[in-house]
Amino acid sequence: QKEVEQNSGPLSVPEGAIASLNCTYSDRGSQSFFWYRQYSGKSPELIMFIYSNGDKEDGRFTAQLNKASQYVSLLIRDSQPSDSATYLCAAPYSGGGADGLTFGKGTHLIIQP
Amino acid sequence: KAGVTQTPRYLIKTRGQQVTLSCSPISGHRSVSWYQQTPGQGLQFLFEYFSETQRNKGNFPGRFSGRQFSNSRSEMNVSTLELGDSALYLCASSLAGQEGNEQFFGPGTRLTVL
Repeated sequence: QKEVEQNSGPLSVPEGAIASLNCTYSDRGSQSFFWYRQYSGKSPELIMFIYSNGDKEDGRFTAQLNKASQYVSLLIRDSQPSDSATYLCAAPYSGGGADGLTFGKGTHLIIQP
Repeated sequence: KAGVTQTPRYLIKTRGQQVTLSCSPISGHRSVSWYQQTPGQGLQFLFEYFSETQRNKGNFPGRFSGRQFSNSRSEMNVSTLELGDSALYLCASSLAGQEGNEQFFGPGTRLTVL
């Protein structure tokens, strides 16, 4: 079973600043990574996915993947109070083409107005 | 397009009973995965179904089982309920059931075992 590790936080960031969320994974064979956001009492919603080394940008969000270091990060620029949530990093649970994800335990992000 | 739906949304059972939860995926999605979420363990993978076949299974006891129907709807069953089974059960669907596909989550079923 592949493992995904995240710092549980809470991570407190002032409004307008950059929030940086980090994730490491155990299996060098993992090819794809996902960032989900989960508000309290709600189900996870997909923010971004990344397959290739380097950066991927989508609006205020940037995902970064470094396969050599087995490290994935999510940057949130111009943080807003509405970004306050738990952010979950995920990788495929196993290979072989089947679906299903293994998740980190999530980082609780608090944006301070 | 309608999202993933799960029924029931809330359920209260007692130890020793069994429970069946239902999940209807997004139209056209053929893969359904099930997850258990608890405050202590986080979000943990239970199993995944694609075209009525279980292709992937997490590290849960045999009391947890599932199935998928020809219309891609899926059910999961937990037999001989234990207090520790109290959790939010989430299902997620994806389009083609390939590794790395984006998964879309339903609202979940909150199970309480007394």
